[in-house]
Amino acid sequence: NAGVTQTPKFQVLKTGQSMTLQCAQDMNHEYMSWYRQDPGMGLRLIHYSVGAGITDQGEVPNGYNVSRSTTEDFPLRLLSAAPSQTSVYFCASTGAGWAETQYFGPGTRLLVL
Amino acid sequence: RKEVEQDPGPFNVPEGATVAFNCTYSNSASQSFFWYRQDCRKEPKLLMSVYSSGNEDGRFTAQLNRASQYISLLIRDSKLSDSATYLCVVFKAAGNKLTFGGGTRVLVKP
Repeated sequence: NAGVTQTPKFQVLKTGQSMTLQCAQDMNHEYMSWYRQDPGMGLRLIHYSVGAGITDQGEVPNGYNVSRSTTEDFPLRLLSAAPSQTSVYFCASTGAGWAETQYFGPGTRLLVL
Repeated sequence: RKEVEQDPGPFNVPEGATVAFNCTYSNSASQSFFWYRQDCRKEPKLLMSVYSSGNEDGRFTAQLNRASQYISLLIRDSKLSDSATYLCVVFKAAGNKLTFGGGTRVLVKP
């Protein structure tokens, strides 16, 4: 049982490049979300999904897109990377709602030069 | 003012000692509360939920004070392995909003 997996673990991008951060879970969870974590700040919600085909914006959605074509996968796309997007990105899933245990992936460390 | 605030620490704790720290939240409509643990360069993991009556899980005790709008975590008989950052998480049903605090770093030393 892999839980929540994320790829890549590390990535360096140049300003203006695009990329997709992958997230997959094998727990059949309906709720999935993407967070970014910056030093001294709490995790901030970027986008979330309550089921396949349903996505919505979180607190800091600008510069990011998501899609949810299957229950298992929830990729995050950076459209045109900026240095302000340098951060650690965590994907999370939960089975029964946001007030339940969030299961996080191991994170992707992104550096934008 | 941040919705969820924590003392970033670090709290330097001798092994075997007791440490306690709080987390304050600004929205009185907050309904559910949690402590997550995050090891260095790792993902957060649920440590415990916080119930109105207070709850204990081994050496860890969580308390909720709704009147003063804070939750607390107490660690007894600290172990070296308790060194981590502890994240306070608050859920508000209206808006289905989960808010994370910035974390309190605890360093347990021999």
